Amino acid sequence: DAKTTQPNSMESNEEEPVHLPCNHSTISGTDYIHWYRQLPSQGPEYVIHGLTSNVNNRMASLAIAEDRKSSTLILHRATLRDAAVYYCILMGGSGTSYGKLTFGQGTILTVHP
Amino acid sequence: NAGVTQTPKFRVLKTGQSMTLLCAQDMNHEYMYWYRQDPGMGLRLIHYSVGEGTTAKGEVPDGYNVSRLKKQNFLLGLESAAPSQTSVYFCASRDRVKPQHFGDGTRLSIL
Repeated sequence: DAKTTQPNSMESNEEEPVHLPCNHSTISGTDYIHWYRQLPSQGPEYVIHGLTSNVNNRMASLAIAEDRKSSTLILHRATLRDAAVYYCILMGGSGTSYGKLTFGQGTILTVHP
Repeated sequence: NAGVTQTPKFRVLKTGQSMTLLCAQDMNHEYMYWYRQDPGMGLRLIHYSVGEGTTAKGEVPDGYNVSRLKKQNFLLGLESAAPSQTSVYFCASRDRVKPQHFGDGTRLSIL
């Protein structure tokens, strides 16, 4: 399965934008880039996903590099409720890896008041 | 709409005991998954199912069995529990190319 690399931790101040980077240099043409987050003592929660184009939803934006070897999750105005572990995951779009999520260790985001 | 419900939420077992974890989803999803999460780690896939009556092995299947007799339920069994199986277990479900929906987890300790 293709791997992703994320910083272990990042910090932000409340109401400031946060850019969470992810490298996935071995991504294949059919892999989707998914982001999930996990709040303390909860199951992971879907944030956003994309294939080639940048994506926006009510929670965040996803910026995907032109060569697809990296991506950035953007939280436009961080709140204390955004403090969580953020996982960047490649989801297989075909073959034996179709639909499977392979979690790394993620990025621990700390938001300061 | 309850989403994905896991029972029990907590359990303590002795080595060698058996138990079954239940995952129920009310979203009519085809795909269901069982993961385990050890402290400070990401989730690892144990087994999964792509439809009623089908199951397949994930990344760490040893020591676990699963069954999907009904579309809405996915059971994870430990036949002879070992301390190495102490973990938090998460169930998830999804429909086709949609994102996975996760339950709140079962915290299992094996003494």
